Amino acid sequence: GAVVSQHPSRVICKSGTSVKIECRSLDFQATTMFWYRQFPKQSLMLMATSNEGSKATYEQGVEKDKFLINHASLTLSTLTVTSAHPEDSSFYICSASPTQGLIYEQYFGPGTRLTVT
Amino acid sequence: QKEVEQNSGPLSVPEGAIASLNCTYSDRGSQSFFWYRQYSGKSPELIMSIYSNGDKEDGRFTAQLNKASQYVSLLIRDSQPSDSATYLCAVNGPHTGGFKTIFGAGTRLFVKA
Repeated sequence: GAVVSQHPSRVICKSGTSVKIECRSLDFQATTMFWYRQFPKQSLMLMATSNEGSKATYEQGVEKDKFLINHASLTLSTLTVTSAHPEDSSFYICSASPTQGLIYEQYFGPGTRLTVT
Repeated sequence: QKEVEQNSGPLSVPEGAIASLNCTYSDRGSQSFFWYRQYSGKSPELIMSIYSNGDKEDGRFTAQLNKASQYVSLLIRDSQPSDSATYLCAVNGPHTGGFKTIFGAGTRLFVKA
C-alpha cells in the first residue's frame, strides 16, 4: 500500500520550454501533496505544499509563476516548470500524505530527473 | 539553529553490527517523527514512524523517541551492506497555518562487508 507514482521518470528539454511532471497516489487519497527538489549530494528542499482544490503554498524563494502546481483531485498533482533554464536541472520528487489514518506520513514518488539543455 | 539536526556522517559500521543514527529537533511542540531511507539517486522511502515516547520495533529497525530530550534515534541491528544509504529524520508539528514536516539533512551510513 501507499504507492506514489511520478511521470516522467526522466526528461530532457531545451532551454525556454515548459515541462509538466505528474504525481499520482495509486492506492490512497491524498489531501496534501508536496513537491521537493534535490540537487546532487544535497538534502531535500521543499518547494511547495499543495492541497486538493486550493492554491499551493510555496516556500520562500520559490517562484510560483515559474513552478506551477495544480492539485486537481485527491490522487493527482502536477508541477509545471515554465521557461526552463539549465539551472532548473535537478531531481524533482513529489510526496503525498494520506487523507485518512496517519495523515502526517509522507510517501514519496520515484522522482523525475530533469535536464535542461 | 537548525530545526532538525543530524550528523552528516559518514557512519561506517561492519556487517552484522548495530548502526545507531541520531537526530535532535528544536520544536518542543513536535508530535510525529519519521525515519526515511534514501539510496543514492533514488527518492526517500518511509521506514519508521513513531509518535510516543519509548521504543518502536519493526524487524531489524528500532526507533527511539525521547520528547523531554527532543531526541529521536534509529537503531539498525545486524546491519547489511544493503542498508548503506542516507537516512533522513523528519519531524512534524504545529506550524503557522497548520502542520509542517521538517527534514534533517541526513546521515550517510556505510555498512562494510
